[in-house]
Amino acid sequence: QSVLTQPPSVSGAPGQRVTIPCTGSSSNIGAGYDVHWYQQLPGTAPKLLIYTNNNRPSGVPDRFSGSKSGTSASLAITGLQAEDEADYYCQSYDNSLSGFYVFGTGTKVTVL
Amino acid sequence: EVQVLESGGGLVQPGGSLRLSCAASGFTFSQYAMSWVRQAPGKGLEWVSTISGSGSDISYAHSVRGRFTISRDNSRNTLFVQMNSLRAEDTALYYCAKLGGSCSDGRCWYLDVWGQGTTVTVSS
Repeated sequence: QSVLTQPPSVSGAPGQRVTIPCTGSSSNIGAGYDVHWYQQLPGTAPKLLIYTNNNRPSGVPDRFSGSKSGTSASLAITGLQAEDEADYYCQSYDNSLSGFYVFGTGTKVTVL
Repeated sequence: EVQVLESGGGLVQPGGSLRLSCAASGFTFSQYAMSWVRQAPGKGLEWVSTISGSGSDISYAHSVRGRFTISRDNSRNTLFVQMNSLRAEDTALYYCAKLGGSCSDGRCWYLDVWGQGTTVTVSS
C-alpha cells in the first residue's frame, strides 16, 4: 500500500507543460525527507529521473524538474514530447511503521 | 558500464521457495547498499528489502518480513533474496537496484541503477 499519492493520469499536447503532484504526510515528505522521481517507459525498467528533490542525473533533459514543499512534491515536464509518454513514480523515506522506502502510486503521462 | 542483472525467477507453487540473484558490475559493489523492488502485473512499484554495503544493516517491507531473506556476497559482487512461503500476491517482476545518496543513515537514498527484472509467478 503506497503512502505517497499521485494522480493516476495526466495528459498534455506536445510542447505543453504538465505537472505531477506527489502528496505525502508528516512521516515522509513532511518530515523533511528527500523526494526522488523515476520514469518507466512502456515495457522497460524504471530509470532515475530526479534525485534529491531537484537534481537531474547526467543525460536527463532539463525539461524535467522537481520541487518540494511541505508534505508534497511535484515533477514538472516542460516542452512535452512524444517520448515522455511513460509512468512516473515519486519515492521518499518514511519513518512510520508503514515502511522504509516508499513509492508513489504512479502517474501515467499521455501525450495527446 | 555500471549494471545489474537479475536471474532466478520462475513459476512456483503457493508455499514454495525461490532464490533470486543479482550480478553487479562496473562499480565497487561492497561500497553500496542494494535493494529489491517488485512490480505486480499492471501495478506500481513496491520496495521489498534493502541491505547495506557490508551486509550488516537489513530492512524489509512488512509484506515480506519473516518470509524473505536478503543477503549479499561481496566477493562475487552478487545480491540475493531467498523467498519462502510464497503467496499468489508475491507474483511480480522483481528488480534489483543499486542505491545512491550521500547520507550515512540511508534516509536520503535513491535507486540509481536498475536491472531489467526477473519474473516470479506463484500459482498452482
